[in-house]
Amino acid sequence: AQKVTQAQTEISVVEKEDVTLDCVYETRDTTYYLFWYKQPPSGELVFLIRRNSFDEQNEISGRYSWNFQKSTSSFNFTITASQVVDSAVYFCALSEASSGGSYIPTFGRGTSLIVHP
Amino acid sequence: GAVVSQHPSRVICKSGTSVKIECRSLDFQATTMFWYRQFPKQSLMLMATSNEGSKATYEQGVEKDKFLINHASLTLSTLTVTSAHPEDSSFYICSARLPLGIEQYFGPGTRLTVT
Repeated sequence: AQKVTQAQTEISVVEKEDVTLDCVYETRDTTYYLFWYKQPPSGELVFLIRRNSFDEQNEISGRYSWNFQKSTSSFNFTITASQVVDSAVYFCALSEASSGGSYIPTFGRGTSLIVHP
Repeated sequence: GAVVSQHPSRVICKSGTSVKIECRSLDFQATTMFWYRQFPKQSLMLMATSNEGSKATYEQGVEKDKFLINHASLTLSTLTVTSAHPEDSSFYICSARLPLGIEQYFGPGTRLTVT
């Protein structure tokens, strides 16, 4: 069974601080996919990134960066120089390739990020 | 990018009535769509997988007679909450995948309030 743990329920920072959101996963599959989604107060989930299990390269996109480490089963998300607009709930999710092609993700409980001006 | 719309965004209905929520993929065809439910400050709970031209696959514990799903075309899936009760009040979100895709793209959600 697949499992995603986001231990941080809520993080509060001041604008321009760097912040890291943790995600730890469990799976028995050797092929799987990891995702991060952002859910702002409006409610719509926004896809941020997908990572394949066979690609451990870290990724940077503007102020966002992701650190994927299979050795620790973690897929952490860092926001550099946070801004008020980054305030949202962030979900980490996992899909297993053995799901018969459905790739239905298991979501973590989410981390609420509050960025104060 | 893939765009998914949902309508209505917000609905208030009386107990005992039925409510239909539409989910559309705007710029791609989606053979499979998904329906989720989200309670305040909680994660998403998958309710069912909607397959175009066939019956939906419901998750354990989800009443298929209460939450009717119809996927009549490659761009439209509907969720009908029948005989709604106050405990059905929630945020309902649909999603879709691109053909041969893996990640899901989500609609903006529908907030249902049953009085």
